[in-house]
Amino acid sequence: GAGVSQSPSNKVTEKGKDVELRCDPISGHTALYWYRQSLGQGLEFLIYFQGNSAPDKSGLPSDRFSAERTGGSVSTLTIQRTQQEDSAVYLCASSSSTGGSNNEQFFGPGTRLTVL
Amino acid sequence: AQSVTQLGSHVSVSEGALVLLRCNYSSSVPPYLFWYVQYPNQGLQLLLKYTTGATLVKGINGFEAEFKKSETSFHLTKPSAHMSDAAEYFCAVSEGFNKFYFGSGTKLNVKP
Repeated sequence: GAGVSQSPSNKVTEKGKDVELRCDPISGHTALYWYRQSLGQGLEFLIYFQGNSAPDKSGLPSDRFSAERTGGSVSTLTIQRTQQEDSAVYLCASSSSTGGSNNEQFFGPGTRLTVL
Repeated sequence: AQSVTQLGSHVSVSEGALVLLRCNYSSSVPPYLFWYVQYPNQGLQLLLKYTTGATLVKGINGFEAEFKKSETSFHLTKPSAHMSDAAEYFCAVSEGFNKFYFGSGTKLNVKP
């Protein structure tokens, strides 16, 4: 596609339920990033993929959070047993094949998660 | 740990006035520095970045930023604000290893 897409755009769930958030990166981009943007706060780095591998998972807030990427393309962020503090906008970004830290990231529109 | 501080969550300027958005970071190594902009109901997009070389970096829409190592700053400026500049601006830093740290953002309001 022309840009990074994310689905769903909005998700309302009940506390304790599991949710899956999807990210489709720009075609050919092997680096993929997940961030969380809470109200009034900056972007919080969650996890980074190079291909299907995630070298650094230290940004995930708890073991309820997990992410995977298959085929070097689509990624899914899963939150188990959601809590109200998980409510935020979850952003996905991708960057070019080298995925270096000096490369521009292209962001998706985000998924707004609300946990009731 | 790396941190990024953006002074002022909201900045208001008059159309035609100077825009100055502040960003300070903590880093023990030369960082990569970025400014992103988020227009209402849109995703973040890159304004400009500093990696190596010239410390004054020019970006899109007339914005520029200067890396000052001694001050650990990367402030964003534009000589003359336009109504279309109203947006939220985020400063970001990376020391490498594909881990990025973003500031909390500054919302710019431009008054007619």
